[in-house]
Amino acid sequence: AQSVTQLGSHVSVSEGALVLLRCNYSSSVPPYLFWYVQYPNQGLQLLLKYTSAATLVKGINGFEAEFKKSETSFHLTKPSAHMSDAAEYFCAVSESGGFKTIFGAGTRLFVKA
Amino acid sequence: EPEVTQTPSHQVTQMGQEVILRCVPISNHLYFYWYRQILGQKVEFLVSFYNNEISEKSEIFDDQFSVERPDGSNFTLKIRSTKLEDSAMYFCASRAPGTGGAYGYTFGSGTRLTVV
Repeated sequence: AQSVTQLGSHVSVSEGALVLLRCNYSSSVPPYLFWYVQYPNQGLQLLLKYTSAATLVKGINGFEAEFKKSETSFHLTKPSAHMSDAAEYFCAVSESGGFKTIFGAGTRLFVKA
Repeated sequence: EPEVTQTPSHQVTQMGQEVILRCVPISNHLYFYWYRQILGQKVEFLVSFYNNEISEKSEIFDDQFSVERPDGSNFTLKIRSTKLEDSAMYFCASRAPGTGGAYGYTFGSGTRLTVV
């Protein structure tokens, strides 16, 4: 069975600083991995996805994530935080041929001026 | 850009009443999902729907829940007799046909259900 663990329910960074949101997954087969973002009172928006092509995946809004099989990780990064990045971020995993995607508990990102 | 549309955005209902949450997925999508998010908690899978039948469901999706795609465009979630603990944000999602779970979902903006 697949699962996702997000380390840190809250992360706070200063504007312009590096953003690092951590995600580790568990899957019995090669996974598909996703990061979603949720702004207040809105739905979930797909940021980026890993589907067994390049291990470094670039997404929208300057975010990227690297798939590391040896570490079972898929951490999300952005070189320079912007105030508009403040939101909740969810890492998610699904399995090839599977019908569902499992979400992590989410990490709320705060950006300080 | 195509959107998944959910109505209503907010519904208040009395405990024991039936509610129907409505979703219009993206027109060429074939896989449909309901998720819920209790306030401050994680996004939880409820059910997936493909080819006019449930393909997978979670243990949350008990006999009180049902889904339907009555007319080829709407996708509904019915809760027969609501409980206080059903209060949550309910998200509908759809995805395009393709290789297994490789495609991300498109989510609607959600329906906030409040059971009083």
